[in-house]
Amino acid sequence: SQQGEEDPQALSIQEGENATMNCSYKTSINNLQWYRQNSGRGLVHLILIRSNEREKHSGRLRVTLDTSKKSSSLLITASRAADTASYFCATEPSGSARQLTFGSGTQLTVLP
Amino acid sequence: NAGVTQTPKFQVLKTGQSMTLQCAQDMNHNSMYWYRQDPGMGLRLIYYSASEGTTDKGEVPNGYNVSRLNKREFSLRLESAAPSQTSVYFCASRTGTGREKLFFGSGTQLSVL
Repeated sequence: SQQGEEDPQALSIQEGENATMNCSYKTSINNLQWYRQNSGRGLVHLILIRSNEREKHSGRLRVTLDTSKKSSSLLITASRAADTASYFCATEPSGSARQLTFGSGTQLTVLP
Repeated sequence: NAGVTQTPKFQVLKTGQSMTLQCAQDMNHNSMYWYRQDPGMGLRLIYYSASEGTTDKGEVPNGYNVSRLNKREFSLRLESAAPSQTSVYFCASRTGTGREKLFFGSGTQLSVL
């Protein structure tokens, strides 16, 4: 079963706008990670947030984590056409080191 | 630095045929993983190897076997392919010393007719 579920499943925005994707999960976690997948390629790690962190930034990316609600959000600011990809959250459950579980992803399309 | 290399990139099998997907990493990582990706399902873990000499089942291990040949290589074998195994297969690795990010290969597109 999927541990993380992304919302929305698909998102289409104009270049320059911000994109927000959400992830919900079911069990307690050690960390939550976000990955990006361009069409036909492997996944690439974007950012990792630990269970004791609430917010993290990396360039145009901002990730938040609310462990009480078991949810995370990924914000991409000032989006570009090159940001078009699928974005996945992955969770590492507490006590289950070495098993990252992925959600079904959000397909982001940034229109030029 | 090649990272994680998977072969082949594409494969078509007939039902009942067998094949082995190869994966190698050159980052001296301890842990290696095999995932499958189906449309709308995200990635599901098939098998993983926490360290050389160990393998464990993931979420969807039925119909697959794995071998951790050495620290660099982790292969996935389909003994008798079924149409339900049509998918994109990804190998991944990470250092295994803590809870860190995964490095992925570029995938194998497998079709079973």
